Amino acid sequence: EDKVVQSPLSLVVHEGDTVTLNCSYEVTNFRSLLWYKQEKKAPTFLFMLTSSGIEKKSGRLSSILDKKELFSILNITATQTGDSAIYLCAVQGGKLIFGQGTTLQVKP
Amino acid sequence: EAQVTQNPRYLITVTGKKLTVTCSQNMNHEYMSWYRQDPGLGLRQIYYSMNVEVTDKGDVPEGYKVSRKEKRNFPLILESPSPNQTSLYFCASSLTPRARGTGELFFGEGSRLTVL
Repeated sequence: EDKVVQSPLSLVVHEGDTVTLNCSYEVTNFRSLLWYKQEKKAPTFLFMLTSSGIEKKSGRLSSILDKKELFSILNITATQTGDSAIYLCAVQGGKLIFGQGTTLQVKP
Repeated sequence: EAQVTQNPRYLITVTGKKLTVTCSQNMNHEYMSWYRQDPGLGLRQIYYSMNVEVTDKGDVPEGYKVSRKEKRNFPLILESPSPNQTSLYFCASSLTPRARGTGELFFGEGSRLTVL
């Protein structure tokens, strides 16, 4: 059965810290991996990854995919309170499957 | 403004009283989907539609119906709601299903449903 597992499930850090969120998957017919940020409302798109080893970067956020070891990481450097959110990983195989999400809380 | 609009945003209802959650997108997207989000379980797909008149079951379709008579609208119907359908529901759309999958999904603001 296809599955996507995120870790940790929750994380509390202080402003300025760097965090790494993990997403591992077992999916047949892998096509892409996507990261979303969910604050108090709708998830918003961050990255889509399809190739191993190519880092995607947007400001303080970056992500990379390892298709051999079947995982992706999302890094956030110099965290701010506005980074507090649920971060969702989704993997597109035959269908799109979401992980449970990682709840990040950034304290001032 | 490009958006996915869901209504109602909040609803409290009673067991067995039929309800419909509407979803409309103004981006001419082909693909639309419904998800429910429950604590610890992430987003689970209920139904999806690749285009007009084409719908298919997701992972948790029991107790739900959908229709796709027009490209922009994808309502979710609960014929006889039960308490286990209490959840946060999201409608989402994307431009077109393609080789790499649905690509970036655009989500509505969510509909919080409570069934007593």
